[in-house]
Amino acid sequence: DQQVKQNSPSLSVQEGRISILNCDYTNSMFDYFLWYKKYPAEGPTFLISISSIKDKNEDGRFTVFLNKSAKHLSLHIVPSQPGDSAVYFCAASGVNAGNMLTFGGGTRLMVKP
Amino acid sequence: ETGVTQTPRHLVMGMTNKKSLKCEQHLGHNAMYWYKQSAKKPLELMFVYSLEERVENNSVPSRFSPECPNSSHLFLHLHTLQPEDSALYLCASSQEVLLVTGELFFGEGSRLTVL
Repeated sequence: DQQVKQNSPSLSVQEGRISILNCDYTNSMFDYFLWYKKYPAEGPTFLISISSIKDKNEDGRFTVFLNKSAKHLSLHIVPSQPGDSAVYFCAASGVNAGNMLTFGGGTRLMVKP
Repeated sequence: ETGVTQTPRHLVMGMTNKKSLKCEQHLGHNAMYWYKQSAKKPLELMFVYSLEERVENNSVPSRFSPECPNSSHLFLHLHTLQPEDSALYLCASSQEVLLVTGELFFGEGSRLTVL
């Protein structure tokens, strides 16, 4: 049973527009959430994170929103650039959830020029 | 030098072969991990080591055998694998094993194909 789910395996967006990647979780003990980005032939790299005490965290073009009541988080990329084309993984952890990161299945983002 | 280095990048082996994957981290971290990424599946945690001691083993078959001789090196020994073990094996490290607010640093992965 997947505790972290990314229901959209792929997303295609035009350059300059907003990309919205979604992630749902089931374990209410998760209290820290991270997004990783993975290019082909490379390992995932950390992108942005958010603690459950916040509902929004922004870093440049990247913003993560957390809706605890819905157990949902999303990553917004504005404006999207072709270099953002990659697979994005959502991950969650918690002191009372084993402390280890639990990953979603990833969403492949394609930003078209 | 990159932070986390994995070798080999690609490996093809038969089901009766014995091979090893190697990981080295140059970040001074105390925790190292093996993850498995299969097609269309989430990253699966296989093993966790903290200061050379195994702290987590997520019910991984015994045909996968990890070894952590020191805090900078991690191996995954492979023996009598099955075709369904074909996947990308990712090594990662972190400052400490308790990851509530920490982040993982991944290597580039070793693409394993079992024939």
